[in-house]
Amino acid sequence: DAGVIQSPRHEVTEMGQEVTLRCKPISGHDYLFWYRQTMMRGLELLIYFNNNVPIDDSGMPEDRFSAKMPNASFSTLKIQPSEPRDSAVYFCASSLGGNTEAFFGQGTRLTVV
Amino acid sequence: QKEVEQNSGPLSVPEGAIASLNCTYSDRGSQSFFWYRQYSGKSPELIMFIYSNGDKEDGRFTAQLNKASQYVSLLIRDSQPSDSATYLCAVEDTDKLIFGTGTRLQVFP
Repeated sequence: DAGVIQSPRHEVTEMGQEVTLRCKPISGHDYLFWYRQTMMRGLELLIYFNNNVPIDDSGMPEDRFSAKMPNASFSTLKIQPSEPRDSAVYFCASSLGGNTEAFFGQGTRLTVV
Repeated sequence: QKEVEQNSGPLSVPEGAIASLNCTYSDRGSQSFFWYRQYSGKSPELIMFIYSNGDKEDGRFTAQLNKASQYVSLLIRDSQPSDSATYLCAVEDTDKLIFGTGTRLQVFP
């Protein structure tokens, strides 16, 4: 397996634009997590899915953020409209179980100018 | 809000020394604990996990868990410059992992 695949690796966008981040988890993993990493706040959990169903989205900062998982092999995180404070590295991770090792993708570095 | 606390560092140790990284957590009910390593500009990767009180050794790495004190640590023996990275402690919380902010380790020759 190629591991967790995220795209794009880098995204630069203007404030107010819509941004969509994509993730393909490891095949057979039931859990998918979206994290955001900044220097100030570290690695924060935004939302996670179990068997494509969102379980906990309490980490989503506000309504501008939304996430979907239409099938077991694909998830998106959307920010609309984007703001400069959304600039961060966004990681997708997947795991077999909720309390087992999470495997991380390479991340998407988002810059909102 | 369940918390995982780490000293941000940097922790500087000479090559060949033992590096000791510490982590405390707030949820007494947590059962699984993980140490990840993250090189600059890269994604976190798992080094070790531990579920039971006591020590768990894997090569140069030893994880130590004390649930009564809500404390987990990572020891790196014979530290190498290639160990220089940020080490993230993660604690299981009902099907998800809560991460500390990480400790930056610098191993100098």
